[in-house]
Amino acid sequence: KQEVTQIPAALSVPEGENLVLNCSFTDSAIYNLQWFRQDPGKGLTSLLLIQSSQREQTSGRLNASLDKSSGRSTLYIAASQPGDSATYLCAVMRGAQKLVFGQGTRLTINP
Amino acid sequence: EAGVAQSPRYKIIEKRQSVAFWCNPISGHATLYWYQQILGQGPKLLIQFQNNGVVDDSQLPKDRFSAERLKGVDSTLKIQPAKLEDSAVYLCASSSLGQGGETQYFGPGTRLLVL
Repeated sequence: KQEVTQIPAALSVPEGENLVLNCSFTDSAIYNLQWFRQDPGKGLTSLLLIQSSQREQTSGRLNASLDKSSGRSTLYIAASQPGDSATYLCAVMRGAQKLVFGQGTRLTINP
Repeated sequence: EAGVAQSPRYKIIEKRQSVAFWCNPISGHATLYWYQQILGQGPKLLIQFQNNGVVDDSQLPKDRFSAERLKGVDSTLKIQPAKLEDSAVYLCASSSLGQGGETQYFGPGTRLLVL
Protein backbone atom coordinates (compact mmCIF):
# COMPACT_ATOMS: atom_id res chain seq x y z
CA LYS A 1 0.00 0.00 0.00
CA GLN A 2 1.39 3.35 -1.07
CA GLU A 3 1.92 5.83 1.77
CA VAL A 4 2.96 9.45 1.32
CA THR A 5 4.47 11.48 4.16
CA GLN A 6 5.23 15.18 4.26
CA ILE A 7 7.59 16.83 6.68
CA PRO A 8 7.28 19.27 8.34
CA ALA A 9 3.53 19.53 9.02
CA ALA A 10 3.87 23.29 9.42
CA LEU A 11 6.58 25.81 8.59
CA SER A 12 6.88 29.53 9.28
CA VAL A 13 9.67 31.60 7.70
CA PRO A 14 10.40 35.30 7.12
CA GLU A 15 9.74 36.80 3.73
CA GLY A 16 12.59 36.50 1.27
CA GLU A 17 13.98 33.21 2.52
CA ASN A 18 14.48 30.17 0.35
CA LEU A 19 12.82 27.04 1.68
CA VAL A 20 12.41 23.33 1.02
CA LEU A 21 9.38 21.13 1.59
CA ASN A 22 9.84 17.38 1.78
CA CYS A 23 7.77 14.46 0.58
CA SER A 24 8.48 10.74 0.87
CA PHE A 25 6.63 7.74 -0.54
CA THR A 26 6.91 4.03 0.15
CA ASP A 27 6.38 2.46 -3.29
CA SER A 28 8.62 3.63 -6.15
CA ALA A 29 6.26 2.24 -8.83
CA ILE A 30 4.63 5.54 -9.70
CA TYR A 31 3.53 7.25 -12.92
CA ASN A 32 4.28 10.72 -11.68
CA LEU A 33 4.46 12.97 -8.65
CA GLN A 34 2.61 16.24 -8.30
CA TRP A 35 2.82 19.18 -5.97
CA PHE A 36 -0.42 21.04 -5.26
CA ARG A 37 -1.23 24.24 -3.45
CA GLN A 38 -4.38 24.62 -1.36
CA ASP A 39 -5.59 27.97 -0.09
CA PRO A 40 -8.10 28.11 2.80
CA GLY A 41 -11.63 27.36 1.62
CA LYS A 42 -10.48 26.58 -1.89
CA GLY A 43 -9.68 23.58 -3.99
CA LEU A 44 -6.28 22.32 -5.07
CA THR A 45 -4.14 23.95 -7.73
CA SER A 46 -1.50 21.87 -9.49
CA LEU A 47 1.92 23.54 -9.27
CA LEU A 48 4.31 21.04 -10.79
CA LEU A 49 4.06 17.55 -12.25
CA ILE A 50 7.15 15.35 -12.55
CA GLN A 51 6.86 12.26 -14.72
CA SER A 52 8.49 9.11 -13.36
CA SER A 53 11.24 9.35 -15.98
CA GLN A 54 12.13 12.92 -15.00
CA ARG A 55 14.33 14.23 -12.20
CA GLU A 56 12.98 17.75 -11.77
CA GLN A 57 10.58 20.41 -12.99
CA THR A 58 10.73 24.17 -12.65
CA SER A 59 8.10 26.89 -12.77
CA GLY A 60 9.12 30.41 -11.88
CA ARG A 61 10.40 30.43 -8.30
CA LEU A 62 9.40 26.79 -7.76
CA ASN A 63 11.58 23.76 -8.39
CA ALA A 64 10.54 20.20 -7.66
CA SER A 65 12.86 17.21 -7.69
CA LEU A 66 12.12 13.50 -7.77
CA ASP A 67 14.31 10.61 -6.64
CA LYS A 68 12.30 7.47 -7.25
CA SER A 69 14.95 5.09 -5.95
CA SER A 70 14.92 6.70 -2.51
CA GLY A 71 11.20 7.52 -2.58
CA ARG A 72 11.68 11.24 -2.09
CA SER A 73 10.70 14.55 -3.59
CA THR A 74 11.44 18.11 -2.59
CA LEU A 75 9.74 21.37 -3.45
CA TYR A 76 12.09 24.33 -3.39
CA ILE A 77 10.63 27.82 -3.15
CA ALA A 78 13.03 30.68 -3.85
CA ALA A 79 12.68 34.18 -2.43
CA SER A 80 9.48 33.43 -0.55
CA GLN A 81 6.64 35.98 -0.51
CA PRO A 82 3.61 36.38 1.80
CA GLY A 83 1.42 35.27 -1.12
CA ASP A 84 3.12 31.88 -0.98
CA SER A 85 1.37 31.18 2.33
CA ALA A 86 -0.82 28.11 1.80
CA THR A 87 -0.88 24.37 2.36
CA TYR A 88 1.32 22.42 -0.03
CA LEU A 89 0.33 18.86 -0.85
CA CYS A 90 2.42 16.18 -2.49
CA ALA A 91 0.68 13.36 -4.37
CA VAL A 92 1.92 10.32 -6.25
CA MET A 93 0.00 8.77 -9.10
CA ARG A 94 -0.31 4.99 -9.28
CA GLY A 95 -2.10 3.04 -12.00
CA ALA A 96 -5.37 4.21 -13.59
CA GLN A 97 -4.97 7.83 -12.55
CA LYS A 98 -5.10 7.17 -8.80
CA LEU A 99 -3.58 9.93 -6.70
CA VAL A 100 -2.35 9.23 -3.18
CA PHE A 101 -1.81 12.39 -1.15
CA GLY A 102 0.38 13.30 1.76
CA GLN A 103 -1.12 15.20 4.67
CA GLY A 104 0.36 18.50 3.55
CA THR A 105 2.71 21.17 4.88
CA ARG A 106 1.09 24.38 6.09
CA LEU A 107 3.43 27.22 5.06
CA THR A 108 3.33 30.72 6.53
CA ILE A 109 5.52 33.50 5.12
CA ASN A 110 5.86 36.38 7.57
CA PRO A 111 6.25 39.91 6.12
CA GLU B 1 -12.17 27.53 -20.00
CA ALA B 2 -14.52 27.10 -17.05
CA GLY B 3 -13.22 25.10 -14.11
CA VAL B 4 -14.82 22.34 -12.07
CA ALA B 5 -18.01 23.58 -10.42
CA GLN B 6 -19.39 22.28 -7.14
CA SER B 7 -22.43 23.07 -5.07
CA PRO B 8 -23.31 23.77 -2.40
CA ARG B 9 -20.16 25.31 -0.97
CA TYR B 10 -21.18 24.74 2.62
CA LYS B 11 -23.66 22.43 4.31
CA ILE B 12 -24.54 21.89 7.95
CA ILE B 13 -26.73 18.93 8.87
CA GLU B 14 -27.51 16.82 11.90
CA LYS B 15 -26.37 13.24 12.18
CA ARG B 16 -28.63 10.67 10.56
CA GLN B 17 -29.82 13.23 8.00
CA SER B 18 -29.07 12.88 4.31
CA VAL B 19 -27.13 15.25 2.06
CA ALA B 20 -26.20 15.46 -1.61
CA PHE B 21 -23.38 17.23 -3.40
CA TRP B 22 -23.22 18.14 -7.08
CA CYS B 23 -20.26 18.42 -9.42
CA ASN B 24 -19.94 19.67 -13.01
CA PRO B 25 -16.54 18.78 -14.48
CA ILE B 26 -14.55 20.62 -17.10
CA SER B 27 -16.18 20.20 -20.48
CA GLY B 28 -14.87 17.18 -22.35
CA HIS B 29 -13.20 15.56 -19.36
CA ALA B 30 -14.01 11.86 -19.34
CA THR B 31 -12.76 11.07 -15.85
CA LEU B 32 -14.35 12.40 -12.67
CA TYR B 33 -13.25 11.89 -9.08
CA TRP B 34 -14.73 12.47 -5.65
CA TYR B 35 -12.32 12.95 -2.75
CA GLN B 36 -12.90 13.33 0.98
CA GLN B 37 -10.54 15.64 2.86
CA ILE B 38 -10.74 15.54 6.64
CA LEU B 39 -9.26 18.51 8.47
CA GLY B 40 -5.48 18.26 8.68
CA GLN B 41 -5.24 15.40 6.18
CA GLY B 42 -4.70 15.05 2.48
CA PRO B 43 -7.60 14.19 0.16
CA LYS B 44 -8.64 10.54 -0.02
CA LEU B 45 -10.21 9.14 -3.18
CA LEU B 46 -13.77 7.93 -2.66
CA ILE B 47 -14.81 7.08 -6.20
CA GLN B 48 -13.55 7.46 -9.76
CA PHE B 49 -15.73 7.49 -12.87
CA GLN B 50 -14.68 7.13 -16.46
CA ASN B 51 -17.54 8.40 -18.60
CA ASN B 52 -20.58 6.65 -17.07
CA GLY B 53 -18.75 3.75 -15.47
CA VAL B 54 -17.13 3.32 -12.07
CA VAL B 55 -13.38 2.66 -12.24
CA ASP B 56 -12.67 2.51 -8.52
CA ASP B 57 -14.95 2.75 -5.50
CA SER B 58 -12.89 0.64 -3.14
CA GLN B 59 -12.74 3.35 -0.47
CA LEU B 60 -16.38 4.42 -0.70
CA PRO B 61 -18.38 3.45 2.42
CA LYS B 62 -21.13 1.88 0.41
CA ASP B 63 -23.48 1.36 3.33
CA ARG B 64 -24.04 5.12 3.49
CA PHE B 65 -22.37 6.76 0.48
CA SER B 66 -23.55 6.56 -3.11
CA ALA B 67 -22.54 8.35 -6.27
CA GLU B 68 -23.71 8.51 -9.83
CA ARG B 69 -22.64 10.16 -13.04
CA LEU B 70 -25.53 10.38 -15.43
CA LYS B 71 -24.78 10.81 -19.15
CA GLY B 72 -21.06 10.93 -18.38
CA VAL B 73 -21.10 14.60 -17.37
CA ASP B 74 -22.44 15.86 -14.02
CA SER B 75 -22.14 13.79 -10.87
CA THR B 76 -23.82 13.66 -7.49
CA LEU B 77 -22.47 12.23 -4.25
CA LYS B 78 -24.96 11.33 -1.54
CA ILE B 79 -24.57 10.47 2.12
CA GLN B 80 -27.46 8.76 3.92
CA PRO B 81 -27.47 8.67 6.89
CA ALA B 82 -24.64 11.03 7.82
CA LYS B 83 -22.36 10.40 10.78
CA LEU B 84 -20.27 12.85 12.78
CA GLU B 85 -17.09 11.48 11.18
CA ASP B 86 -18.34 12.48 7.74
CA SER B 87 -17.54 16.11 8.55
CA ALA B 88 -15.00 17.00 5.88
CA VAL B 89 -14.48 18.84 2.61
CA TYR B 90 -15.69 16.90 -0.41
CA LEU B 91 -13.65 17.69 -3.48
CA CYS B 92 -14.56 16.90 -7.04
CA ALA B 93 -11.89 16.70 -9.74
CA SER B 94 -11.79 15.88 -13.42
CA SER B 95 -9.18 14.94 -16.00
CA SER B 96 -9.04 14.17 -19.69
CA LEU B 97 -8.79 10.62 -20.96
CA GLY B 98 -5.26 10.09 -22.20
CA GLN B 99 -2.33 7.75 -21.93
CA GLY B 100 -2.14 8.09 -18.17
CA GLY B 101 -0.74 10.65 -15.78
CA GLU B 102 -3.01 13.52 -16.84
CA THR B 103 -3.36 16.43 -14.44
CA GLN B 104 -6.48 16.45 -12.32
CA TYR B 105 -8.32 19.75 -11.96
CA PHE B 106 -10.08 20.33 -8.67
CA GLY B 107 -13.22 22.21 -7.79
CA PRO B 108 -13.51 24.47 -4.72
CA GLY B 109 -15.07 21.73 -2.62
CA THR B 110 -18.14 21.40 -0.43
CA ARG B 111 -17.49 21.82 3.28
CA LEU B 112 -19.80 19.52 5.30
CA LEU B 113 -20.36 19.81 9.03
CA VAL B 114 -22.36 17.08 10.72
CA LEU B 115 -23.67 17.99 14.19
